[in-house]
Amino acid sequence: DQQVKQNSPSLSVQEGRISILNCDYTNSMFDYFLWYKKYPAEGPTFLISISSIKDKNEDGRFTVFLNKSAKHLSLHIVPSQPGDSAVYFCAASGAGGTSYGKLTFGQGTILTVHP
Amino acid sequence: ETGVTQTPRHLVMGMTNKKSLKCEQHLGHNAMYWYKQSAKKPLELMFVYSLEERVENNSVPSRFSPECPNSSHLFLHLHTLQPEDSALYLCASSQAAGNTEAFFGQGTRLTVV
Repeated sequence: DQQVKQNSPSLSVQEGRISILNCDYTNSMFDYFLWYKKYPAEGPTFLISISSIKDKNEDGRFTVFLNKSAKHLSLHIVPSQPGDSAVYFCAASGAGGTSYGKLTFGQGTILTVHP
Repeated sequence: ETGVTQTPRHLVMGMTNKKSLKCEQHLGHNAMYWYKQSAKKPLELMFVYSLEERVENNSVPSRFSPECPNSSHLFLHLHTLQPEDSALYLCASSQAAGNTEAFFGQGTRLTVV
């Protein structure tokens, strides 16, 4: 039973355009959501997060949107750059205090940004 | 450099071997984790240590044995593994309480032959 799902295995975008990566979750106890980026032969690198009390968080070219009623979040990258090509993982964690930062991950989406 | 270092980066072992994976974090965190990433699967949480105490064991077979001697070090002892245990093993650390991001090491690529 996969609680965090990224239904698009891959996404291809032209340099300079917007990349939109999507993620759905089923567990209503999740209250903190994160995006990680992973290059081959490296561990995941934290990108951006959002708490369930917000519906948007922005950091430079990266914006995460959260729609709690739809249990959906998305990561927007604009403008996309070739260096953004990587695997992007969505992750979620439960209520703070007892969750120990335990993360439940989606399967990942391979983003390719073409020059 | 994420502050979480894993060794070795690559490991090939036979099914009768005993080996250990090592993880060290220099971030002052007090929670550490082992995750497993198999081909075409999401990262799966294996073990959680908070304040050096194991607080979660996600139904992991006993052929995987974690050890956390202090808040900066985490080991995963391996014995009599199966070929299907071949995967990328990732260590992570974070603060124990509250919503916070985890920082990952570069992983150990394990191949069981």
